[in-house]
Amino acid sequence: DGGITQSPKYLFRKEGQNVTLSCEQNLNHDAMYWYRQDPGQGLRLIYYSQIVNDFQKGDIAEGYSVSREKKESFPLTVTSAQKNPTAFYLCASTTRHGYTFGSGTRLTVV
Amino acid sequence: GIQVEQSPPDLILQEGANSTLRCNFSDSVNNLQWFHQNPWGQLINLFYIPSGTKQNGRLSATTVATERYSLLYISSSQTTDSGVYFCAVDRRGSIQGAQKLVFGQGTRLTINP
Repeated sequence: DGGITQSPKYLFRKEGQNVTLSCEQNLNHDAMYWYRQDPGQGLRLIYYSQIVNDFQKGDIAEGYSVSREKKESFPLTVTSAQKNPTAFYLCASTTRHGYTFGSGTRLTVV
Repeated sequence: GIQVEQSPPDLILQEGANSTLRCNFSDSVNNLQWFHQNPWGQLINLFYIPSGTKQNGRLSATTVATERYSLLYISSSQTTDSGVYFCAVDRRGSIQGAQKLVFGQGTRLTINP
């Protein structure tokens, strides 16, 4: 079945550590996105990529980094510069007619 | 930037009831989508509806772009309809091929048996 796979589902990070969230899609979509969701809030755009080897900052890119070396993969690194990283992270890809989201990764700083 | 406001923030209904969720947006958009987030966090795309009316089973949506609002209708609610419903818009002038959605805060719907 086609879809988006995010891993891991739960991730615990110590303060000062970098962590990488995985996002893989087999939908052959060109555009991919990372969103952050805080409790009781809507989603906010972190980074997006339209094609391989190209990506753009979204509204809250500080403290995050991404890469797009393959069409299928768009990993997100949460760096130690991100002061409040505890959140639910969602990856998505699109056609012209709508988004497909992964099931998310819950990141907690311990 | 564009603002998206959803109402009501919370809605509690009995099974079988009908409901209307509203989304207002502050500027012209070239894309509007409705999503349902289930209690486990999964987001499902319900409608891609920049204008007009669409129906899918018990759900339907209408967007009046000139008046900058959209409505999501749920008829004969079931407990599985519970969750958070998000409206999201794509700003006019977004880069071709990229849909940089701006999300509202959501409406939390609880359907009691």
